[in-house]
Amino acid sequence: EAGVTQSPTHLIKTRGQQATLRCSPISGHTSVYWYQQALGLGLQFLLWYDEGEERNRGNFPPRFSGRQFPNYSSELNVNALELEDSALYLCASSYTLAGERETQYFGPGTRLLVL
Amino acid sequence: AQSVTQLDSQVPVFEEAPVELRCNYSSSVSVYLFWYVQYPNQGLQLLLKYLSGSTLVKGINGFEAEFNKSQTSFHLRKPSVHISDTAEYFCAVTRRDTGRRALTFGSGTRLQVQP
Repeated sequence: EAGVTQSPTHLIKTRGQQATLRCSPISGHTSVYWYQQALGLGLQFLLWYDEGEERNRGNFPPRFSGRQFPNYSSELNVNALELEDSALYLCASSYTLAGERETQYFGPGTRLLVL
Repeated sequence: AQSVTQLDSQVPVFEEAPVELRCNYSSSVSVYLFWYVQYPNQGLQLLLKYLSGSTLVKGINGFEAEFNKSQTSFHLRKPSVHISDTAEYFCAVTRRDTGRRALTFGSGTRLQVQP
C-alpha cells in the first residue's frame, strides 16, 4: 500500500512569492492534515481538510490556505512568503471511520526555503 | 487546550543498553496518545499509539510505552537499542472528541545511540 506522498521534495522561493505544496493521501483516507516543522518552533498544526471542507485551522495567518480536491488530494498555498516560512511542511492523512480516524500517517515532507 | 512535555531534549545511550524517553501531557479533556519517530531528512513514522484498553502498548521496532493516567505520562521504552534507532522521537496527543483532530506535539527527544 502506497503511503502519503508529497511534492515537490524541495522548493526555493524568494520573499513575497507564493508557494504551492501538494499532498496525496493513502488510498481510502479522506482526511488530510498539514503541519509546519520550523527550526526552533517544533511541529505545529496548520490545517485539517475532510471531505473537501476545511474543518480546523491552527494559529497561522490567512496567507496560509489550502484546499482538498474530490480525489482527497490536497494543496497548501502560502502567499506573500516571509523568511520565517522556511520550514519542513508535513502532510498527514487518516480515515474518517471511528477507530481509525484518530491515527495520522505522515508523508516525507516538502522542504521550503525562502530567500 | 493540550500540551505535551518531553523532559529530555537529548538522550545519549550505548548500543544494547535500555532506554526510556519521557513524555508528560496536560489536557482538560480525554486524549489519545502517540509516539512518532523522525529519521534525518524524513517525515514522521508512527511507532505506537494508545487509544483505549491495556495501558501497555507495543509498537514497531521493539518499542513499547505505558499510559499512566494518574501521572499523565506516556513514556517510551526499549530494552536494547541499536545504532539504527538514532533519530528524533516525538510524543503527541489529540482530543478524543471528533471536532478537533489536530495533533499537539512535544518538542522532541533526540536519541543518540553510540557504539
